[in-house]
Amino acid sequence: EAGVAQSPRYKIIEKRQSVAFWCNPISGHATLYWYQQILGQGPKLLIQFQNNGVVDDSQLPKDRFSAERLKGVDSTLKIQPAKLEDSAVYLCASSLTSGRGETQYFGPGTRLLVL
Amino acid sequence: SQKIEQNSEALNIQEGKTATLTCNYTNYSPAYLQWYRQDPGRGPVFLLLIRENEKEKRKERLKVTFDTTLKQSLFHITASQPADSATYLCALPPSGSARQLTFGSGTQLTVLP
Repeated sequence: EAGVAQSPRYKIIEKRQSVAFWCNPISGHATLYWYQQILGQGPKLLIQFQNNGVVDDSQLPKDRFSAERLKGVDSTLKIQPAKLEDSAVYLCASSLTSGRGETQYFGPGTRLLVL
Repeated sequence: SQKIEQNSEALNIQEGKTATLTCNYTNYSPAYLQWYRQDPGRGPVFLLLIRENEKEKRKERLKVTFDTTLKQSLFHITASQPADSATYLCALPPSGSARQLTFGSGTQLTVLP
């Protein structure tokens, strides 16, 4: 089966610019996650969707970050305006359900550098 | 607040030896714990899940232990190979105060030929 797809793989922007990332989860997976992984740290959840509804966005900096999953399949994460500290890898993951212990399948990530 | 600690130093071992990685947690009583592998430039890949009522779990050359008294999980790779070189992350599930899966910072393992 095809894995989680993300694009672009790399992005370099200047601070105060905007950027968008796209994710296509594994077919049939109802739950989609966006994580931020700063160099040397583990992934930190930004937002979790169940179908097209938000389950948890408590750690999403809502003044600059937004995400949507309009049709319950693919998703976009946007940063506007970007700050230097947003430089990180943005990982998308999906799981069949949001049940306890459910395995999450990660995409390759988008590496963002903000100059 | 909840905290997860993994070996802060990178771990280098000789091929054929057993690698042991540590995951310690505080202020938490997880129902299970997960281990992931992450290669450079790639997303984490799920390896194993161990539940609180399981002391040990094995999968091929991998073995995970879970000591809820010590609040510690150990991850062992026996007969290690250079292909096992990667960063290994432990992750704990949501609890009362943590609403999402929380990852440790990972331990970078290098298996030397």
